[in-house]
Amino acid sequence: KAGVTQTPRYLIKTRGQQVTLSCSPISGHRSVSWYQQTPGQGLQFLFEYFSETQRNKGNFPGRFSGRQFSNSRSEMNVSTLELGDSALYLCASNPRQGVFSDTQYFGPGTRLTVL
Amino acid sequence: DAKTTQPNSMESNEEEPVHLPCNHSTISGTDYIHWYRQLPSQGPEYVIHGLTSNVNNRMASLAIAEDRKSSTLILHRATLRDAAVYYCILRVRQGGSEKLVFGKGTKLTVNP
Repeated sequence: KAGVTQTPRYLIKTRGQQVTLSCSPISGHRSVSWYQQTPGQGLQFLFEYFSETQRNKGNFPGRFSGRQFSNSRSEMNVSTLELGDSALYLCASNPRQGVFSDTQYFGPGTRLTVL
Repeated sequence: DAKTTQPNSMESNEEEPVHLPCNHSTISGTDYIHWYRQLPSQGPEYVIHGLTSNVNNRMASLAIAEDRKSSTLILHRATLRDAAVYYCILRVRQGGSEKLVFGKGTKLTVNP
């Protein structure tokens, strides 16, 4: 089975722009979660989608949003980018609903740099 | 608020056991303890998880203190491929939703 794929792998944006990141889960997995990883804050949970509905949400401002399609692929959008949004954005999939309800399979991440 | 505390770094020699500690003194009865590790330039990888009893799998063992305020990830024979950052994570149930509490991670160095 192919693993979790994320595109693009690297992205450079400027302050004020918006960005969309994509995540394709492992075939058959219906839950997709998104995480932000920075040197200062470490790993933080953004949100989880299951069956096209957001099921759990972390403590991030409304500029961070996501969606999930009927094929379980997910996108994450960040609007009005700030310098502090520079981070590695990871997505993970698992077969069941619920954050960490099952083994999370992580993708390699998208490295976002905001200038 | 729930919190996990891990040492910033640890060092081990190849083929020796490694004990990675995690303190989670504010854990409640329904909170699961998960361990993931992250190799350089990769996403995190599942290691093990547990609730109350000690757990074993092919990768590692998880020893949970009787009061559940701490746990220890045990790698029985460290190899060079085990060099990674190890994260202790709590899955916390809050009302009808779930929350994750991440430790800052322990960077494990394995010496040949």
